[in-house]
Order: sequence, then structure tokens, then C-alpha cells
Amino acid sequence: EDQVTQSPEALRLQEGESSSLNCSYTVSGLRGLFWYRQDPGKGPEFLFTLYSAGEEKEKERLKATLTKKESFLHITAPKPEDSATYLCAVQAGSGSRLTFGEGTQLTVNP
Amino acid sequence: SAVISQKPSRDICQRGTSLTIQCQVDSQVTMMFWYRQQPGQSLTLIATANQGSEATYESGFVIDKFPISRPNLTFSTLTVSNMSPEDSSIYLCSVNLQVHTEAFFGQGTRLTVV
Repeated sequence: EDQVTQSPEALRLQEGESSSLNCSYTVSGLRGLFWYRQDPGKGPEFLFTLYSAGEEKEKERLKATLTKKESFLHITAPKPEDSATYLCAVQAGSGSRLTFGEGTQLTVNP
Repeated sequence: SAVISQKPSRDICQRGTSLTIQCQVDSQVTMMFWYRQQPGQSLTLIATANQGSEATYESGFVIDKFPISRPNLTFSTLTVSNMSPEDSSIYLCSVNLQVHTEAFFGQGTRLTVV
């Protein structure tokens, strides 16, 4: 059974204080690892897809990396508008169904 | 990308009743999924609703409780039947434009059962 574990559950940062979120996974036949951002009362918003170990993707203050066992979402000099829940999900096997982690709730204080 | 509209955005329902949630996509898609997000928790897949085949349910979810329709490539419905307070959750529709690519989500339907 596919498993995804995210840490920490919650993270509070000061504006400008860089940090990383972790997503560790156990799957058989990883097809893709996805990062989403979810704001309260909204559906998840797609951020990144990573397909193979060593791959990196960047978007503004966010950078996602992937190894064979885990992924990191690095947040550089965060701003209050980066406050949200960040979800990690994996896709394995032949279909496109996603298995989600529990998420990391990020709060960035001004 | 895909734009997904869900209706209703929220509802408060009496226990024992049923609610049908609609999901409309702005393009034709084969792969559509329904997820549940219980309060303070992450997303759990309920079923896969591919057009042209019967919906496939995940362990712990059954068709009698969550019947799904998929009449065409841009629309689907999820019904939550005989509701109890434990069904209070956010229900989300998502689509994939291609296999093994990112999923796009609707804004969700927040259901409260009293």
C-alpha cells in the first residue's frame, strides 16, 4: 500500500526565514510526486510535478527536489502570502489516482 | 490546465437525506476522481469515474453510499446517500488531462450533516 508522510505537521516562520518541508514516501512503482498548495476553503492548487530522483523544479520562492525516498519543498525568504497548507501526493502504478500526505500547515508571520 | 466548477459550494443537510454534488469541467477529460477531505485531514480518494466505464471505488467506499454518474466527458455527479454527521466533509472533484500528469481540483463542496 502506498504511504506518504509529511513533516512537520505545522511550521511557523518569520517573514524572510527560509525553511524546508519534507515528504517521505513508500510506493511501488512511482510515476510522479506532486506538490499542491491549499488555502482555507479552496481546492488544492497544483505547484510541481517530479518524476525521477535528482529532479528539481522552481517557482518563485519555492523549490521542490526529489530523491528515491523523499521530496523536499524549500521555501526561500517566505512572505505572509505563502501561508497555506502544502500537500504532497504520489502517483504509482498504471492509473492516475493520487495518494496524499497529511499536509504541512505553514504560517508566515510579518 | 482545466477549470472545474462544483455545485453546491456548501450545504447543510439533515441526517438521512441525500445530496448530489455536480462537477463541470471546461474541457473533455477521460479521467475524473472524487475525493473526500474530512475536517483537519488530507484528501482520501473515494472513486475513479472514467467515462465509458463503471466507477471504481476505493476500499471503504461503496456504490450504495456514494453513487456516481458520468454521462459525458465534461460532467459527473457524486451523491452522498442516507447521510450521517460522519459524512460532514469537503468533497472534491478532480481531473487529469493526461495519465501520470498533475490533477486539477474544483473548489470543493463543504457538507455539514446535522
